[in-house]
Amino acid sequence: DAGVIQSPRHEVTEMGQEVTLRCKPISGHNSLFWYRQTMMRGLELLIYFNNNVPIDDSGMPEDRFSAKMPNASFSTLKIQPSEPRDSAVYFCASTLGPTDTQYFGPGTRLTVL
Amino acid sequence: KQEVTQIPAALSVPEGENLVLNCSFTDSAIYNLQWFRQDPGKGLTSLLLIQSSQREQTSGRLNASLDKSSGRSTLYIAASQPGDSATYLCAPEGGKLIFGQGTELSVKP
Repeated sequence: DAGVIQSPRHEVTEMGQEVTLRCKPISGHNSLFWYRQTMMRGLELLIYFNNNVPIDDSGMPEDRFSAKMPNASFSTLKIQPSEPRDSAVYFCASTLGPTDTQYFGPGTRLTVL
Repeated sequence: KQEVTQIPAALSVPEGENLVLNCSFTDSAIYNLQWFRQDPGKGLTSLLLIQSSQREQTSGRLNASLDKSSGRSTLYIAASQPGDSATYLCAPEGGKLIFGQGTELSVKP
């Protein structure tokens, strides 16, 4: 298996623009997680899905952030409108079940100017 | 609210040394605790997962222990190598993973 796939790997955009990050989990995994990593706050869980259903979105910072999982092999994290404070590395991870070992993707480094 | 502390924040050792990384957490109601390694500019790689009912878990030169009642876990690395240089993060799982800030390890040849 290719592991968790994220795209794009790098994104540079201007404040106010819409940003869409994409994730393909490992085939057969039932849970998917979106994290954000910054120097100041470390690694934080934004939202996680179990069987394509959002279970906990308490980490989503505000209404500008939204996430979807239309099927078992694809998820998106959207920021609209983007702000400079959204600059971070965004990771996607997947697991067989919600408390199993998590497998992380390589991340998307987002820079909002 | 779970809070996770990792000590030390950074560590530099010569090759061949045995070393211990420490992790403490405030809420002992956890399902498991996971240790990860992160190389610069990369994602996280899972090293070990200790179930809440277990005391320790071993993989090669790595050994992780868990004392749930006292809210502590340690990661022991035997005979360290330059390739072990990375940031090590612990994350107790109590419904979701809560990460510490990590220990940045540098192993000098």
